[in-house]
Amino acid sequence: DVKVTQSSRYLVKRTGEKVFLECVQDMDHENMFWYRQDPGLGLRLIYFSYDVKMKEKGDIPEGYSVSREKKERFSLILESASTNQTSMYLCASSFFGLRDRGSPSGIFGPGTRLTVL
Amino acid sequence: EDKVVQSPLSLVVHEGDTVTLNCSYEVTNFRSLLWYKQEKKAPTFLFMLTSSGIEKKSGRLSSILDKKELSSILNITATQTGDSAIYLCAVRPSGTYKYIFGTGTRLKVLA
Repeated sequence: DVKVTQSSRYLVKRTGEKVFLECVQDMDHENMFWYRQDPGLGLRLIYFSYDVKMKEKGDIPEGYSVSREKKERFSLILESASTNQTSMYLCASSFFGLRDRGSPSGIFGPGTRLTVL
Repeated sequence: EDKVVQSPLSLVVHEGDTVTLNCSYEVTNFRSLLWYKQEKKAPTFLFMLTSSGIEKKSGRLSSILDKKELSSILNITATQTGDSAIYLCAVRPSGTYKYIFGTGTRLKVLA
């Protein structure tokens, strides 16, 4: 069963703390994404990566950084958490292009609900 | 600017009804459109539509892509309370790895 996993389902941090969110996929997908989802705003792309050590900014990268040292793992880092980063964070992965290897592209992890106090 | 708009924003129906959810897009060089169902957690993948696959069906759910109208519909027949969820549409333009999401349609099915 194909899977994207995220390190925590719920996380509570204090303002100013450094926060690491980790995402792992087992589908050999090239692309990995970090989104945040807020009521009324939908899913907004923070960063994505199309290969190991490659990253590109999404629509709202400010206050975040990412790391992709291995193909299966994509980390989101909040250098100094702030209350406006309280949100649901979703990781997703997909194949490059539209190849279908019997597994659909665009798979999401279970999400991490982060609260920053 | 690339944009995906879903309608209606929310919908309440009774079990057994048929619903049609809409997704329209304005993107530079369309590549694919994805539908997701999101209950209390992460979105789960339903369908992917492309120029070479404009109609998909799975059980009571079906989806059609209209490239001329730059839109897609998701149909759910004989709705059940378990269909209650937010339905998300995402479009990927050609030449990018990014998916652009709509804000979703919240469907509530009453028993």
